[in-house]
This record gives sequence, structure tokens and C-alpha cells, in this order.
Amino acid sequence: AQKITQTQPGMFVQEKEAVTLDCTYDTSDPSYGLFWYKQPSSGEMIFLIYQGSYDQQNATEGRYSLNFQKARKSANLVISASQLGDSAMYFCAMRGDSSYKLIFGSGTRLLVRP
Amino acid sequence: DTAVSQTPKYLVTQMGNDKSIKCEQNLGHDTMYWYKQDSKKFLKIMFSYNNKELIINETVPNRFSPKSPDKAHLNLHINSLELGDSAVYFCASSQDNGQWASDTIYFGEGSWLTVV
Repeated sequence: AQKITQTQPGMFVQEKEAVTLDCTYDTSDPSYGLFWYKQPSSGEMIFLIYQGSYDQQNATEGRYSLNFQKARKSANLVISASQLGDSAMYFCAMRGDSSYKLIFGSGTRLLVRP
Repeated sequence: DTAVSQTPKYLVTQMGNDKSIKCEQNLGHDTMYWYKQDSKKFLKIMFSYNNKELIINETVPNRFSPKSPDKAHLNLHINSLELGDSAVYFCASSQDNGQWASDTIYFGEGSWLTVV
């Protein structure tokens, strides 16, 4: 069975500082993908970043980077230079090659303080 | 242009009614999905269609019936609505058949269903 765990229900970060949102996963699939989504208060789900299990380098997309530690089964999202607009729910998700299903963690609510 | 669009965005209805949520994607994707987000923000897949063929059917009450007239559309019909059906329903799509781990899913803006 596949499982995603986000242990931080809520976090604060000061504007312009970096923040790390934790995500651990469990799967028996040898090949899998890890995703992060952002859900602002307006409700839409926005795709942020993807990391493949066989990718040699950590994924980066602008201010977002994914700290992928395969041996620890962790895929933490790092947001650099936080902005007020980063305040949102963040979801970690995973899909293995054996399944059509993208499964989600419980989310982390991030609040950026001015 | 919105890539994945769903209507209505807000829906308030009484118990026992039947309602539909429509979804369209203009990304040329082959696979579409319905996800449900409950009051605790937990997201769970309900259905998935690949080129109009049902490929995922989770443990969902029979009152929920998806319909895919073509690969760009996936509608969700709900019969005999119950209080517990109140949630946000997200339509989504992906390029391939969703079998590849790298197949990114893109979501619509969500439909807020409130059953009173």
C-alpha cells in the first residue's frame, strides 16, 4: 500500500525567509513520482513541482525546490524567499507505476508573516 | 483560457435532490478524474476515465455516476443527495493514461457542494 505523511498541520514563516514543508512516503513500487500542490484560500489546486524516483537531481521550479532523500523516503518542499502570496495549504502527493491513483497527504497550512 | 473548467463553482441544494457537475478540459489530455475534498481538506480519488473508458472506480456510493461523452468532458451526477455529500469536488486531467508515475494531474478550480 502507498502512503503519504505530512506531519506539520500548520507552520509560520517570516516573509523573505525560507521554509521547509515535510513529506514522507511509503511505497513498494520501484518507480514512482512525487508531487507538490498548493491550495490557496480561493480553493484551486495548483501543481508546483514533480520529482521522479529515478531522477538524479533534486527538482527545482523557481522558488520551489524538492529535497528528495530516497533512502529516508522523504520529499520535502523548500520555498525560498517566502512571499505573502505563499500563504496556503500545501499537499504532497505520490503515484507509483503500479497504480493509476495519485494519493495525497493531509496537507500543511503555511502562513507567511509580514 | 482555463485548462480544466468545472461548473458550477458553488452549489447549494436540499437533501434528496439530484445534481450534476460538469467538467471540460482543453489540454488535449487522455485521462480525466474526479476527486473529493472533505471538510478536513483530505483529498481522495473517486473516478478516472481514460479516453471515455472507466479505469478507476473507488468505493463510492452508487448515487454517484460519472459520464464521459468524449475525452474532453467528464461530468459527475449525484442522485438523492445526502448531508454527507457536502464537500469540494475537483475535476482533473492528465496527459497519458495515468499509469506512468510522471503523469502530472492538473486540477480544476473545484465545485463547492453544500447539501442542506
